[in-house]
Amino acid sequence: EAGVAQSPRYKIIEKRQSVAFWCNPISGHATLYWYQQILGQGPKLLIQFQNNGVVDDSQLPKDRFSAERLKGVDSTLKIQPAKLEDSAVYLCASSSGQGLYGYTFGSGTRLTVV
Amino acid sequence: AQKVTQAQTEISVVEKEDVTLDCVYETRDTTYYLFWYKQPPSGELVFLIRRNSFDEQNEISGRYSWNFQKSTSSFNFTITASQVVDSAVYFCALSAGGANNLFFGTGTRLTVIP
Repeated sequence: EAGVAQSPRYKIIEKRQSVAFWCNPISGHATLYWYQQILGQGPKLLIQFQNNGVVDDSQLPKDRFSAERLKGVDSTLKIQPAKLEDSAVYLCASSSGQGLYGYTFGSGTRLTVV
Repeated sequence: AQKVTQAQTEISVVEKEDVTLDCVYETRDTTYYLFWYKQPPSGELVFLIRRNSFDEQNEISGRYSWNFQKSTSSFNFTITASQVVDSAVYFCALSAGGANNLFFGTGTRLTVIP
């Protein structure tokens, strides 16, 4: 089966600009996650979707970050305006929602804010 | 609250040596899941193992083995006869409290020297 697709692979923007990342989960996976991985740290959950509804966005900095999952399939994560501390790898993952089996990560988008 | 501690930031071993990566976790939940992921230089997170809190049996998969001890809240990972391809960052992660997301440790960077 195809894996979790993410684009772009790399992005460099200036602070205060906006940026968007795209994720297409594994077909049929109801649960989609966005994680932020700052260099030297483990990934941290930003938001979790179940179909097109938000399950957990408690760690999402809502003043600048937004995410949507229209139609319960692919998802977009946006940052506006970006700050230097947003430099990180943004990982998307999906699961079938059955006890964390089939929890698959994409290759991530590496964002550099200058 | 959930917490995962990987005290070893970096480890270097010579090829064919055995190496153990330590993981200590904290949770108040009686039902939880523990994971190990491998993150090679390419960036994706590769699933290695999932363990639930009711199954303390150690597991062996080829050169990999895992030692789960609830008494010490540890879930250690051993690579036997290490190879250069084992060089990567390894993350231990915890899911608990019915949440379907992961709390990651800070990772251990393993370098296998040929």
